[in-house]
Amino acid sequence: DGGITQSPKYLFRKEGQNVTLSCEQNLNHDAMYWYRQDPGQGLRLIYYSQIVNDFQKGDIAEGYSVSREKKESFPLTVTSAQKNPTAFYLCASRLAGGRYNEQFFGPGTRLTVL
Amino acid sequence: DAKTTQPPSMDCAEGRAANLPCNHSTISGNEYVYWYRQIHSQGPQYIIHGLKNNETNEMASLIITEDRKSSTLILPHATLRDTAVYYCIVSGGSNYKLTFGKGTLLTVNP
Repeated sequence: DGGITQSPKYLFRKEGQNVTLSCEQNLNHDAMYWYRQDPGQGLRLIYYSQIVNDFQKGDIAEGYSVSREKKESFPLTVTSAQKNPTAFYLCASRLAGGRYNEQFFGPGTRLTVL
Repeated sequence: DAKTTQPPSMDCAEGRAANLPCNHSTISGNEYVYWYRQIHSQGPQYIIHGLKNNETNEMASLIITEDRKSSTLILPHATLRDTAVYYCIVSGGSNYKLTFGKGTLLTVNP
């Protein structure tokens, strides 16, 4: 089945540690996105990539980093510089070149920093 | 992207139609209206989108007013599994960002 996988579903880290969240898609989509969601809030865009080896900052990129070495993978690193990293992180992808903004989302990773 | 306004919550009886309103009075001519929903603790799911004509698919119908300043998402026969937060988003042109507000929590009651 085609889709987006994010692992792990739950992640716990100590304060001050960097942590990398995985996002893989087998939809052959060109564009990939990372969002953050806090309780009771909508999603906020962290980073996005429209093509391999290229990515742009979203609305809340500070304290995060990404890479896009392969079309199917877009890992997100939450660094120790992120002041409030505990949140629900969602990855999405879209077929670039289309007129429409239909994004497909993964199941999310819930990160808790202790 | 144009901002949207949605009621924070709505209730609907199982089997009845759920009509979710959205205001987007500053929408521009090349912007589409998108609807997504998010079931608790899951990733959002695309439902439908439209530009100016009404649209229907297997999940829902989208009614856009003639002046495009508001729209309504219709779930014709709501089920308990339709309980979710529904997001109305305006996006278009070369900007492929989706800006999610707080959405409407639809609760379908038995």
